Amino acid sequence: EADIYQTPRYLVIGTGKKITLECSQTMGHDKMYWYQQDPGMELHLIHYSYGVNSTEKGDLSSESTVSRIRTEHFPLTLESARPSHTSQYLCASSALQGADEKLFFGSGTQLSVL
Amino acid sequence: SQKIEQNSEALNIQEGKTATLTCNYTNYSPAYLQWYRQDPGRGPVFLLLIRENEKEKRKERLKVTFDTTLKQSLFHITASQPADSATYLCALGTNDMRFGAGTRLTVKP
Repeated sequence: EADIYQTPRYLVIGTGKKITLECSQTMGHDKMYWYQQDPGMELHLIHYSYGVNSTEKGDLSSESTVSRIRTEHFPLTLESARPSHTSQYLCASSALQGADEKLFFGSGTQLSVL
Repeated sequence: SQKIEQNSEALNIQEGKTATLTCNYTNYSPAYLQWYRQDPGRGPVFLLLIRENEKEKRKERLKVTFDTTLKQSLFHITASQPADSATYLCALGTNDMRFGAGTRLTVKP
């Protein structure tokens, strides 16, 4: 069973608000990811990290930031939420094991921006 | 541009039949390919991994093939059951993990 947790599970906020989506894992995994997924659509990579103090940009990184101060914690921040940010946000982690990089996903945060 | 393409339409099959899902990719050179299952409102769950030097991998009722010349993977579920109904995603292992849009499978009793 994967031990990766995302909070909140659901979030409804107004336009212009700053929000932080939390993601924590207790598996000691080095690599962590954030993906955005709309219903029936593919997962879009937002940011990822190889470990503490490492952050890399994905395809949709321009409107958000991440930090990796601790191995277990990888929060995602939207400085000014817009209705176009309405989506599901999925966090994942994996152990760096060469060719056996299996991802473990959290249950996601469903964000609605009004 | 880089693309990962899966059966765009949903797949409906009868219980007991074999489901075959396709994953094609372009402009990638993945070291491995993975398949995940995703249920509504949940994160994907890892099922199988196949490396570039492997042709076929099996796990219980699941079978995956990987043809790096065709740039294609096939995912088979034999003796399908209604509980297999879900969306199945393929993912390519490069420096980061890239996913296809998935194929929604419905197994009817």
